[in-house]
Amino acid sequence: AQTVTQSQPEMSVQEAETVTLSCTYDTSESDYYLFWYKQPPSRQMILVIRQEAYKQQNATENRFSVNFQKAAKSFSLKISDSQLGDAAMYFCAYESNFGNEKLTFGTGTRLTIIP
Amino acid sequence: GAGVSQSPRYKVAKRGQDVALRCDPISGHVSLFWYQQALGQGPEFLTYFQNEAQLDKSGLPSDRFFAERPEGSVSTLKIQRTQQEDSAVYLCASSWGQLLNQPQHFGDGTRLSIL
Repeated sequence: AQTVTQSQPEMSVQEAETVTLSCTYDTSESDYYLFWYKQPPSRQMILVIRQEAYKQQNATENRFSVNFQKAAKSFSLKISDSQLGDAAMYFCAYESNFGNEKLTFGTGTRLTIIP
Repeated sequence: GAGVSQSPRYKVAKRGQDVALRCDPISGHVSLFWYQQALGQGPEFLTYFQNEAQLDKSGLPSDRFFAERPEGSVSTLKIQRTQQEDSAVYLCASSWGQLLNQPQHFGDGTRLSIL
């Protein structure tokens, strides 16, 4: 079974600065997807960024980018120019490319933005 | 509708009562998922539907939990004889299906409190 570990329960960053959230995972599969989801107090899970394991190039979405290290099974999220609206819980998630599409989530990192 | 809709948003029930939680997925979405999110934790997979077929129910914690999607669109998660440990946020997600390689879209969840 796959597992996802987020070792930082809480992080904080000054507005406009850069922060990196860590995620490691364990799998024996070679083909899978990795995600970062944002969950504000409204509870809705919002997709931030997605990485396909067979792609070597790191995914980027505007101020959000990942550092995907497949051999190390590491998948960190970098948020540049942090904004007050980035404050939320961030979850790392894994999806196998075999079987159904169910997501395996980490325990989350609460990100606080300091004005 | 434009997004995944869940109702009710909040549900309070007494221990031993039965509850039903509803999910309206995005129109046309083939796959539908239910997740359970305990306080301070990441979501955990409960069950998966492809159209009306329930293909994976390995995450349902007990036989008190039952899910259906009779016409391949709206889904209902039913919990019988509720217990305090059932208190959680229940998230529904839908997608176009694995073949189209599209991510899941989540609803706002139902917060269930068992007294």
